[in-house]
Amino acid sequence: DTAVSQTPKYLVTQMGNDKSIKCEQNLGHDTMYWYKQDSKKFLKIMFSYNNKELIINETVPNRFSPKSPDKAHLNLHINSLELGDSAVYFCASSQWEQSYEQYFGPGTRLTVT
Amino acid sequence: DQQVKQNSPSLSVQEGRISILNCDYTNSMFDYFLWYKKYPAEGPTFLISISSIKDKNEDGRFTVFLNKSAKHLSLHIVPSQPGDSAVYFCAASAYSGNTPLVFGKGTRLSVIA
Repeated sequence: DTAVSQTPKYLVTQMGNDKSIKCEQNLGHDTMYWYKQDSKKFLKIMFSYNNKELIINETVPNRFSPKSPDKAHLNLHINSLELGDSAVYFCASSQWEQSYEQYFGPGTRLTVT
Repeated sequence: DQQVKQNSPSLSVQEGRISILNCDYTNSMFDYFLWYKKYPAEGPTFLISISSIKDKNEDGRFTVFLNKSAKHLSLHIVPSQPGDSAVYFCAASAYSGNTPLVFGKGTRLSVIA
C-alpha cells in the first residue's frame, strides 16, 4: 500500500501551459505539504495545509495554487509555466503534533521546455 | 542564506566501516533535528531525529550526535552496508506545527562492497 502517492510521476510540458499535480495520502495525517527540489538539489517548502487550511505559504509565485479538497488530498496547480519551474515536486504528510516526521511521496519531475 | 549546511556533497566508505555524515546549522531557534534518506526516484524517508535537549540518539546502526554550542550534528552509521548507499538530508525545525522543515543540500553516501 502506497502511503503518499503523487500523479503524474513525470510531466513534460511547454512554457505557458497550465498543469496540475495530484497528491493523496492514506496515513490518516491531518497536515500535508508541497516541496520543490530545484537543480541545486535544495528541498524547499512551498506550502503546508492543516485540515484543509493553508498554514505555510512561502515566497512562491502566485502562479502556483494549492488546493486541498479534503485532509487526504493536496493538489498543486501551476499556471503559465516557466522554464524555471522545472524541478522535482514532492508532496509530504504528517500529523500536526509531529510535523518534524514527514512522509514523502515519490516526487513528480516537471520539465518545462 | 543556507540555514542548514551539508558541506560534503559525497562520501565513499567501505562496507563494514563507519560512515560519518556532518551537518551545520546557523539558526539558534532550531530545536529539532532530523536525518532523511533518499534513494533515486523515491521521496525522502525519515531515518532518525534528535531533540535539542539531548546530545545523542541511537537507533540500531544509526546514531545522531548533536553539539548545540557548535551548531553541529552528525550521523554515524556502523557498520555501513551497501544498502545504505543513498543521499542523506539533514533537516531542522523549531518544534511547532507551523514551522517548516529546513533541509540541507544532501550528502551522497556510497558504500563499497
